[in-house]
Amino acid sequence: RKEVEQDPGPFNVPEGATVAFNCTYSNSASQSFFWYRQDCRKEPKLLMSVYSSGNEDGRFTAQLNRASQYISLLIRDSKLSDSATYLCVVTTVSGTYKYIFGTGTRLKVLA
Amino acid sequence: GAVVSQHPSWVICKSGTSVKIECRSLDFQATTMFWYRQFPKQSLMLMATSNEGSKATYEQGVEKDKFLINHASLTLSTLTVTSAHPEDSSFYICSARDPLARGTGNNEQFFGPGTRLTVL
Repeated sequence: RKEVEQDPGPFNVPEGATVAFNCTYSNSASQSFFWYRQDCRKEPKLLMSVYSSGNEDGRFTAQLNRASQYISLLIRDSKLSDSATYLCVVTTVSGTYKYIFGTGTRLKVLA
Repeated sequence: GAVVSQHPSWVICKSGTSVKIECRSLDFQATTMFWYRQFPKQSLMLMATSNEGSKATYEQGVEKDKFLINHASLTLSTLTVTSAHPEDSSFYICSARDPLARGTGNNEQFFGPGTRLTVL
Protein backbone atom coordinates (compact mmCIF):
# COMPACT_ATOMS: atom_id res chain seq x y z
CA ARG A 1 0.00 0.00 0.00
CA LYS A 2 1.31 3.44 -0.94
CA GLU A 3 1.87 5.91 1.86
CA VAL A 4 -0.26 8.57 0.19
CA GLU A 5 -2.96 7.57 -2.24
CA GLN A 6 -5.02 9.59 -4.68
CA ASP A 7 -7.37 8.78 -7.51
CA PRO A 8 -5.28 9.61 -10.61
CA GLY A 9 -8.32 10.72 -12.61
CA PRO A 10 -8.58 12.43 -15.00
CA PHE A 11 -11.57 14.33 -13.74
CA ASN A 12 -13.21 16.06 -16.70
CA VAL A 13 -15.66 18.70 -15.52
CA PRO A 14 -17.45 21.61 -17.19
CA GLU A 15 -16.67 25.17 -16.29
CA GLY A 16 -18.54 26.26 -13.20
CA ALA A 17 -18.76 22.78 -11.73
CA THR A 18 -17.78 21.81 -8.22
CA VAL A 19 -15.22 19.03 -7.97
CA ALA A 20 -13.76 17.22 -4.97
CA PHE A 21 -10.51 15.30 -4.63
CA ASN A 22 -9.68 12.86 -1.90
CA CYS A 23 -6.41 11.65 -0.49
CA THR A 24 -5.65 9.00 2.13
CA TYR A 25 -2.43 8.51 4.04
CA SER A 26 -1.18 5.52 5.96
CA ASN A 27 1.10 7.01 8.63
CA SER A 28 -0.96 8.17 11.59
CA ALA A 29 2.04 10.14 12.88
CA SER A 30 2.07 12.43 9.84
CA GLN A 31 2.43 16.02 10.87
CA SER A 32 1.60 18.51 8.15
CA PHE A 33 -0.57 18.33 5.09
CA PHE A 34 -0.64 20.31 1.88
CA TRP A 35 -2.28 20.49 -1.49
CA TYR A 36 0.00 21.44 -4.37
CA ARG A 37 -0.87 22.20 -7.93
CA GLN A 38 1.41 21.14 -10.78
CA ASP A 39 1.05 22.29 -14.35
CA CYS A 40 2.52 20.28 -17.18
CA ARG A 41 6.34 20.37 -17.21
CA LYS A 42 6.46 22.78 -14.27
CA GLU A 43 7.36 22.53 -10.62
CA PRO A 44 4.66 22.01 -7.96
CA LYS A 45 3.24 25.17 -6.44
CA LEU A 46 1.61 25.35 -3.04
CA LEU A 47 -2.14 25.68 -3.25
CA MET A 48 -2.91 25.55 0.43
CA SER A 49 -1.98 23.99 3.73
CA VAL A 50 -4.57 21.74 5.33
CA TYR A 51 -5.64 22.11 8.95
CA SER A 52 -7.78 19.94 11.17
CA SER A 53 -10.32 22.73 11.49
CA GLY A 54 -10.62 22.97 7.74
CA ASN A 55 -9.64 26.01 5.76
CA GLU A 56 -10.87 27.96 2.80
CA ASP A 57 -9.16 30.16 0.27
CA GLY A 58 -11.55 31.67 -2.22
CA ARG A 59 -13.02 28.86 -4.29
CA PHE A 60 -10.85 26.22 -2.61
CA THR A 61 -11.67 24.40 0.60
CA ALA A 62 -9.45 21.83 2.27
CA GLN A 63 -10.39 19.42 5.02
CA LEU A 64 -8.38 17.05 7.19
CA ASN A 65 -9.78 14.09 9.09
CA ARG A 66 -7.01 12.69 11.26
CA ALA A 67 -9.16 9.84 12.61
CA SER A 68 -9.81 8.54 9.12
CA GLN A 69 -6.42 9.68 7.78
CA TYR A 70 -8.14 11.46 4.97
CA ILE A 71 -7.64 14.82 3.24
CA SER A 72 -9.93 16.48 0.77
CA LEU A 73 -9.88 19.43 -1.60
CA LEU A 74 -13.04 21.03 -2.93
CA ILE A 75 -12.98 23.41 -5.88
CA ARG A 76 -16.09 25.46 -6.50
CA ASP A 77 -17.01 27.27 -9.71
CA SER A 78 -14.23 25.59 -11.70
CA LYS A 79 -12.31 27.71 -14.18
CA LEU A 80 -10.45 26.60 -17.28
CA SER A 81 -7.28 27.75 -15.54
CA ASP A 82 -7.84 25.21 -12.78
CA SER A 83 -6.85 22.44 -15.19
CA ALA A 84 -3.74 20.88 -13.66
CA THR A 85 -2.58 17.97 -11.55
CA TYR A 86 -3.32 18.30 -7.85
CA LEU A 87 -0.85 16.68 -5.51
CA CYS A 88 -1.60 15.70 -1.95
CA VAL A 89 1.47 16.01 0.28
CA VAL A 90 2.03 14.66 3.76
CA THR A 91 5.07 15.31 5.91
CA THR A 92 6.58 12.65 8.07
CA VAL A 93 9.03 12.92 10.88
CA SER A 94 9.85 9.25 11.26
CA GLY A 95 13.63 9.39 11.02
CA THR A 96 14.03 12.59 9.08
CA TYR A 97 11.51 15.18 7.98
CA LYS A 98 10.39 14.79 4.38
CA TYR A 99 7.48 15.23 2.01
CA ILE A 100 5.56 12.22 0.79
CA PHE A 101 3.72 12.98 -2.43
CA GLY A 102 0.55 11.34 -3.60
CA THR A 103 0.36 10.19 -7.19
CA GLY A 104 -1.65 13.26 -8.12
CA THR A 105 -5.12 13.77 -9.55
CA ARG A 106 -5.49 15.24 -13.01
CA LEU A 107 -8.25 17.79 -13.51
CA LYS A 108 -9.47 19.01 -16.87
CA VAL A 109 -12.00 21.81 -16.86
CA LEU A 110 -13.85 21.91 -20.14
CA ALA A 111 -15.39 24.95 -21.83
CA GLY B 1 10.18 35.54 -0.27
CA ALA B 2 11.36 31.92 -0.25
CA VAL B 3 12.54 31.70 -3.83
CA VAL B 4 14.50 28.73 -5.10
CA SER B 5 16.29 28.70 -8.43
CA GLN B 6 17.71 25.85 -10.47
CA HIS B 7 20.23 25.83 -13.25
CA PRO B 8 20.16 24.74 -15.99
CA SER B 9 16.46 24.58 -16.79
CA TRP B 10 17.10 21.95 -19.39
CA VAL B 11 20.07 19.97 -20.65
CA ILE B 12 20.68 17.47 -23.42
CA CYS B 13 23.77 15.33 -23.19
CA LYS B 14 25.34 12.24 -24.65
CA SER B 15 25.28 8.93 -22.86
CA GLY B 16 28.25 8.53 -20.53
CA THR B 17 28.72 12.19 -19.71
CA SER B 18 28.15 13.78 -16.32
CA VAL B 19 25.70 16.57 -15.70
CA LYS B 20 25.66 18.98 -12.78
CA ILE B 21 22.47 20.70 -11.62
CA GLU B 22 22.56 23.61 -9.20
CA CYS B 23 19.88 24.53 -6.70
CA ARG B 24 19.99 27.86 -4.90
CA SER B 25 17.87 29.45 -2.22
CA LEU B 26 17.84 33.12 -3.17
CA ASP B 27 16.42 34.92 -0.17
CA PHE B 28 16.85 32.55 2.72
CA GLN B 29 19.39 30.12 4.10
CA ALA B 30 18.46 26.49 3.70
CA THR B 31 20.15 24.00 5.98
CA THR B 32 18.24 21.27 4.20
CA MET B 33 17.50 20.84 0.52
CA PHE B 34 15.77 17.99 -1.22
CA TRP B 35 16.23 16.42 -4.64
CA TYR B 36 13.32 14.84 -6.47
CA ARG B 37 12.93 13.07 -9.77
CA GLN B 38 9.73 12.93 -11.77
CA PHE B 39 9.12 10.64 -14.73
CA PRO B 40 6.29 11.36 -17.20
CA LYS B 41 2.83 10.88 -15.75
CA GLN B 42 4.24 10.01 -12.35
CA SER B 43 4.52 11.90 -9.12
CA LEU B 44 7.65 13.33 -7.56
CA MET B 45 9.92 10.79 -5.96
CA LEU B 46 12.37 11.91 -3.32
CA MET B 47 15.91 10.93 -4.24
CA ALA B 48 17.87 12.38 -1.36
CA THR B 49 17.94 14.91 1.44
CA SER B 50 20.87 17.27 1.29
CA ASN B 51 22.20 18.68 4.54
CA GLU B 52 24.61 21.60 4.60
CA GLY B 53 28.05 20.52 5.70
CA SER B 54 27.28 16.82 5.92
CA LYS B 55 26.63 13.83 3.71
CA ALA B 56 23.33 13.54 1.92
CA THR B 57 20.78 10.96 2.96
CA TYR B 58 19.66 8.86 0.01
CA GLU B 59 16.34 7.13 -0.38
CA GLN B 60 16.23 3.39 -0.87
CA GLY B 61 17.11 2.39 -4.41
CA VAL B 62 18.95 5.62 -5.27
CA GLU B 63 22.62 5.05 -6.05
CA LYS B 64 24.71 7.54 -4.11
CA ASP B 65 27.74 7.01 -6.37
CA LYS B 66 25.69 7.84 -9.43
CA PHE B 67 23.86 10.83 -8.03
CA LEU B 68 26.45 12.91 -6.23
CA ILE B 69 25.10 15.59 -3.95
CA ASN B 70 27.10 18.43 -2.49
CA HIS B 71 25.67 21.02 -0.12
CA ALA B 72 28.65 23.20 0.58
CA SER B 73 26.83 26.35 1.64
CA LEU B 74 23.53 27.39 3.14
CA THR B 75 22.25 28.59 -0.22
CA LEU B 76 23.60 26.06 -2.70
CA SER B 77 23.20 22.35 -3.29
CA THR B 78 24.35 20.54 -6.41
CA LEU B 79 23.31 17.23 -7.92
CA THR B 80 25.69 15.57 -10.35
CA VAL B 81 24.37 12.74 -12.48
CA THR B 82 27.49 10.77 -13.28
CA SER B 83 27.84 8.69 -16.44
CA ALA B 84 24.30 9.53 -17.46
CA HIS B 85 22.31 7.05 -19.51
CA PRO B 86 19.00 7.40 -21.38
CA GLU B 87 17.09 5.90 -18.44
CA ASP B 88 18.28 8.86 -16.34
CA SER B 89 16.30 11.20 -18.57
CA SER B 90 13.79 12.84 -16.27
CA PHE B 91 12.62 16.05 -14.64
CA TYR B 92 14.82 16.81 -11.64
CA ILE B 93 13.40 19.21 -9.05
CA CYS B 94 15.01 20.56 -5.93
CA SER B 95 13.35 22.13 -2.93
CA ALA B 96 14.47 23.88 0.20
CA ARG B 97 13.10 24.35 3.64
CA ASP B 98 13.31 27.63 5.50
CA PRO B 99 14.17 26.72 9.10
CA LEU B 100 13.31 30.22 10.29
CA ALA B 101 9.81 30.29 8.83
CA ARG B 102 7.09 30.67 11.40
CA GLY B 103 4.19 28.33 12.08
CA THR B 104 3.45 25.77 9.42
CA GLY B 105 5.78 27.65 7.12
CA ASN B 106 8.52 25.83 8.91
CA ASN B 107 7.24 22.58 7.42
CA GLU B 108 6.79 23.91 3.94
CA GLN B 109 9.22 23.20 1.12
CA PHE B 110 9.85 25.70 -1.64
CA PHE B 111 10.48 24.24 -5.06
CA GLY B 112 12.85 25.22 -7.80
CA PRO B 113 11.57 25.37 -11.38
CA GLY B 114 13.12 22.02 -12.25
CA THR B 115 15.70 20.77 -14.72
CA ARG B 116 14.71 18.63 -17.65
CA LEU B 117 17.48 16.19 -18.48
CA THR B 118 17.53 14.31 -21.76
CA VAL B 119 20.29 11.77 -22.29
CA LEU B 120 20.79 10.65 -25.85
